[in-house]
Amino acid sequence: ETGVTQTPRHLVMGMTNKKSLKCEQHLGHNAMYWYKQSAKKPLELMFVYSLEERVENNSVPSRFSPECPNSSHLFLHLHTLQPEDSALYLCASSQRLAGELFFGEGSRLTVL
Amino acid sequence: GIQVEQSPPDLILQEGANSTLRCNFSDSVNNLQWFHQNPWGQLINLFYIPSGTKQNGRLSATTVATERYSLLYISSSQTTDSGVYFCAVVAGNTGKLIFGQGTTLQVKP
Repeated sequence: ETGVTQTPRHLVMGMTNKKSLKCEQHLGHNAMYWYKQSAKKPLELMFVYSLEERVENNSVPSRFSPECPNSSHLFLHLHTLQPEDSALYLCASSQRLAGELFFGEGSRLTVL
Repeated sequence: GIQVEQSPPDLILQEGANSTLRCNFSDSVNNLQWFHQNPWGQLINLFYIPSGTKQNGRLSATTVATERYSLLYISSSQTTDSGVYFCAVVAGNTGKLIFGQGTTLQVKP
């Protein structure tokens, strides 16, 4: 238990669906992150939020839309995804930017 | 951007053996972390070690920031040590933790 909870753990969706991934941290941290891990590739940073403001958008397609309503919650809204978007999506938080990161258990997404 | 290289990419050990994993990085760093990814995908924090040496049980890590590398030592390996080990670094204060490609470790009984 790292203090970072992701739901759902597994998600299967069609290319026309709209779904959301949720991340909640119970550590009192001020920064939250979304990472993507595809098979045979290193983890890729997608988005960084610090104090609920987006500070990094790492050239991610617009079909991925992040939302950070408060410092404890982070969402990743998904719409019109492609099969190549199938991956493990990992959420993380840290006390401050560039501080020690703690990861959730991940949400494994399959796009049919 | 900063480059992170890990070696070896794959490692097979017999239970009880010791091993050293290496992480080289191309620029000065403010943060360096070692993680173990379990079979279910979760990244487990091993060490937060931008410099110096730390030990936790059978594991220890050393980062020589001036020479831009870090080492992870696993002693008396167990089958539960199997998995992928990642090194990740942050350059500057951007919050961008950049991961290496990982070392896949298999410990055989």
